[in-house]
Amino acid sequence: RKEVEQDPGPFNVPEGATVAFNCTYSNSASQSFFWYRQDCRKEPKLLMSVYSSGNEDGRFTAQLNRASQYISLLIRDSKLSDSATYLCVVIPTDSWGKLQFGAGTQVVVTP
Amino acid sequence: NAGVTQTPKFQVLKTGQSMTLQCAQDMNHNSMYWYRQDPGMGLRLIYYSASEGTTDKGEVPNGYNVSRLNKREFSLRLESAAPSQTSVYFCASLLHRPDDQPQHFGDGTRLSIL
Repeated sequence: RKEVEQDPGPFNVPEGATVAFNCTYSNSASQSFFWYRQDCRKEPKLLMSVYSSGNEDGRFTAQLNRASQYISLLIRDSKLSDSATYLCVVIPTDSWGKLQFGAGTQVVVTP
Repeated sequence: NAGVTQTPKFQVLKTGQSMTLQCAQDMNHNSMYWYRQDPGMGLRLIYYSASEGTTDKGEVPNGYNVSRLNKREFSLRLESAAPSQTSVYFCASLLHRPDDQPQHFGDGTRLSIL
């Protein structure tokens, strides 16, 4: 089993709709979590950190569920420019040198 | 502020040739990483350096060597390139202490081995 798993998608979302997806992690000693977006074969760029209490940045909301060991990302009022692959990143407390990446969830926003 | 700079951006090699990918960061980060990304796959860690003077193997280290030249620079070397090493290579850096901060990535090096 992979340490960080994501539904690869694609999630096909009409413009203006809401889309949400999860990322599960296996190491309960994980301490830091992030969402990145990656456009076609370009470098990953930080979208947002994920805090224990949940956090929002404009149309994006991230949640952390430590009990069930997953983080989630919700995109509200989807724009065409939101089309990308979203990667989750987990940093374990006991192996902080090795960040763990999910393989990514592809989101395609259609007109 | 350049962030993380990788050179070259593109390279074509013949099987058996050697080359070094360069990475430099100007953010005073303590940790640096080399990843490869193949079509349809996520990022796979090749090597990382938690701090100046230390390097450790990641998930796919075979066929590669690294050097943490100083705090700023972390190079990746292919001693004898193989077609299986055709990939996009990303360098990243991270400030680990006192709190984990997000990684910053370079633009990537697109490497083709013929």
